[in-house]
Amino acid sequence: EAGVAQSPRYKIIEKRQSVAFWCNPISGHATLYWYQQILGQGPKLLIQFQNNGVVDDSQLPKDRFSAERLKGVDSTLKIQPAKLEDSAVYLCASSTGLQETQYFGPGTRLLVL
Amino acid sequence: AQSVAQPEDQVNVAEGNPLTVKCTYSVSGNPYLFWYVQYPNRGLQFLLKYITGDNLVKGSYGFEAEFNKSQTSFHLKKPSALVSDSALYFCAVRDPVGGGFKTIFGAGTRLFVKA
Repeated sequence: EAGVAQSPRYKIIEKRQSVAFWCNPISGHATLYWYQQILGQGPKLLIQFQNNGVVDDSQLPKDRFSAERLKGVDSTLKIQPAKLEDSAVYLCASSTGLQETQYFGPGTRLLVL
Repeated sequence: AQSVAQPEDQVNVAEGNPLTVKCTYSVSGNPYLFWYVQYPNRGLQFLLKYITGDNLVKGSYGFEAEFNKSQTSFHLKKPSALVSDSALYFCAVRDPVGGGFKTIFGAGTRLFVKA
């Protein structure tokens, strides 16, 4: 079974630029999650989708971050404009349901200069 | 509010010795508890989970964890450590109260196993 796919794996941008990350969850997984993992910290949930609806986005900085999952499968996370403190690994995960085990992709490492 | 604490930034153990990585939690309802492992430049890999039932949970790679409700702990254990177990370990809790099952991760514990 294919795992969670993410792209790009690495991205370097300058502050105030915009960037987008893509995630393809495991086939059949209804729930999709985006996490931000800053160096030396545990992952922090940014947004959680159930199919194409948002379940929780309480920790998403909505003035600059946005995410969508239009067809209930793939998802994109966008940052516009980026700040230095957005430098982190962005992890996507999926699960069959809200109560089930999450499976993580390899992450996208973002460096904002 | 729910929270997870991993009190040790780093755990050092000799190969062949038992290992314990500690985790305590705080939730309003009955917790769903997880352990994940992260190797360099890779995403998190699921090790084991506790939702209900037997307090001793067995998982991947010979790891196990014991749920202790009175101490609100979920420590990760392995009887005999391997050098290849060296990695970053995260404890996570999901609180079913409220319906969102939002996941909170601990800060992580780095495990070093010396040959």
